[in-house]
Amino acid sequence: AQSVSQHNHHVILSEAASLELGCNYSYGGTVNLFWYVQYPGQHLQLLLKYFSGDPLVKGIKGFEAEFIKSKFSFNLRKPSVQWSDTAEYFCAVNRYTGGFKTIFGAGTRLFVKA
Amino acid sequence: DGGITQSPKYLFRKEGQNVTLSCEQNLNHDAMYWYRQDPGQGLRLIYYSQIVNDFQKGDIAEGYSVSREKKESFPLTVTSAQKNPTAFYLCASSTRGAGGQDTQYFGPGTRLTVL
Repeated sequence: AQSVSQHNHHVILSEAASLELGCNYSYGGTVNLFWYVQYPGQHLQLLLKYFSGDPLVKGIKGFEAEFIKSKFSFNLRKPSVQWSDTAEYFCAVNRYTGGFKTIFGAGTRLFVKA
Repeated sequence: DGGITQSPKYLFRKEGQNVTLSCEQNLNHDAMYWYRQDPGQGLRLIYYSQIVNDFQKGDIAEGYSVSREKKESFPLTVTSAQKNPTAFYLCASSTRGAGGQDTQYFGPGTRLTVL
């Protein structure tokens, strides 16, 4: 079945550690890719998005993601995490199926130890 | 302040009762969405509307109904036909640009518990 897969459901890191959250999708053709984040007690909000051009996109708070078309991947990275990055992260893919629909991954809960 | 409001934050209902969840936005967005969030399953699309008086089923529309009579409002009714209605429900809105590149803006959610 077509899907969006996030490899890790829970990640625990110490402050200053590097972060990489995996996201793979199984749709062919043109896709629009997003990472959303939900901080504790806050609304789900956009972290970054990719449509075309440079496959390395930068988002808010030092996050970046790389689109690798051949691997159907859009992994999220941050060189050095902070305690305030503790949140749930969702990868999402928007593609055309008679109208544009967004499919979300199951989410990854990140806990950063101070 | 522009944004999306959902009410109530917590809702309890008895099994067999229909319940309507409210979603209002003042962002002047054309498109609105309802998602259901369950632990370990991410967000699943229930219904979406790209324009007033028009809406489409998402991936899990069975047991739900919506209306879009006003641009700013997109209420969701959870009917007694929904087999497992206890969940966290999120409403979102976006502009309706071409190409599916629009950012969705989310409300705070309503946690529905059916007893």
